[in-house]
Parts: sequence; structure tokens; C-alpha cells
Amino acid sequence: AQTVTQSQPEMSVQEAETVTLSCTYDTSESDYYLFWYKQPPSRQMILVIRQEAYKQQNATENRFSVNFQKAAKSFSLKISDSQLGDAAMYFCACHSGGGADGLTFGKGTHLIIQP
Amino acid sequence: DTGVSQDPRHKITKRGQNVTFRCDPISEHNRLYWYRQTLGQGPEFLTYFQNEAQLEKSRLLSDRFSAERPKGSFSTLEIQRTEQGDSAMYLCASSFSGAGHNEQFFGPGTRLTVL
Repeated sequence: AQTVTQSQPEMSVQEAETVTLSCTYDTSESDYYLFWYKQPPSRQMILVIRQEAYKQQNATENRFSVNFQKAAKSFSLKISDSQLGDAAMYFCACHSGGGADGLTFGKGTHLIIQP
Repeated sequence: DTGVSQDPRHKITKRGQNVTFRCDPISEHNRLYWYRQTLGQGPEFLTYFQNEAQLEKSRLLSDRFSAERPKGSFSTLEIQRTEQGDSAMYLCASSFSGAGHNEQFFGPGTRLTVL
């Protein structure tokens, strides 16, 4: 069984600034993947970034990067140069490596971008 | 459009009625997932198919819920004798097992309202 905890229900950041969204997880699996998904007001989930647990290097996708601390079971998302289009719900999720089950999601963080 | 599609996008029904939703995954994807998302929460896993075989069912999937994926292509989710507590967004996602990173692509969802 896996659990994912997002302790920030809402975060606000000024446009062009940097914001970090927190996520902690727990899993008994040794092989797993971690994801950040974005859900804009239209509600279609979009993958932002993923991290394989066996990789020590933190994943980066343009303005999005993660800080993966495996021992602490922490997986935070950093958004640099925030843009108005980044406003959305952000969900942290965990998935076992075998893929024989669904994603386990946190409750989400509502990100507000102040112009 | 080669993304995941779901139909209908919205469904309003009266308590006690049966409803059926359809999901068309990305064509080469052999894995298909159903999730339920209530307001203010992250999606919760319901069930998972690999090809036409239903391999995993969450305890959230009561006896009133049934899912099928004939021929390993599209999938249907049926809810019998709907209850007000079934009101939620039902999300479908698909992935390819050979991809190695378990990325799931989500559809736009079907919003169910039970009156």
C-alpha cells in the first residue's frame, strides 16, 4: 500500500517568482515511480514531471524540477519563473514499478499565480 | 486527436438509475485505468485492465460498479442503482506497459451528478 501526503492545500506566488510544492510519500515497494500532475480548471490531468526511484539525479523539465530525497521519502516540485498558465491544482502521485495497480494521489495543492 | 477520450462529458441522473460511461484509450496503450475524483480530492483508483483482463479492483468498487474492456480496446464503467454518493468525476487513463516509466495519460473525465 502507498500513501501520498501534500500538506499545502493552497500556495500563492507572484508571477516570475519561484515556488516549491511539498510532497511526502510512503511505500513498501523498492521499485516505484513518482509523478507531479497538473489539473487546470478544465480538469484534464497533465503530467508535469516524473522521477524513477532508482535514479539519484533529480528530474528537470524546463521550468519544473524536483527535489527527490529518497531516504526522507520527500518529493517536492519547484516551479521557476512562474507564469499565469501555471495556475492549477497540482497532484503528487506514486506508482509501483510493476504497474499492476493505479496511481496513489495526494489531495493536491491549489497554486495561485499573482500577476 | 490521439489522446484519451471519454463519453459523455457530463451525466445527470436520478438516484436509482443505471449509468454507463465509455473510455477510448490511446490506440497502442494496453493498460487502462479508472479513477474517481470528488471535489477537493485527488483521484482515487478504482480498477485496472491489461488488455482485456481486469487485473485489479479497489475496495472502492462496490458490487454496483462493473467495468469491462472487450477486445482490449475501449472500456465501459457501469454504475447500477446510482446513489447520491456516486456523484463525482470519473477519470480514465491509459498507458503502455513497455514504456518503462508507467506514465499514464488521462482523459477529460465524465462528471456524474446524481439527484
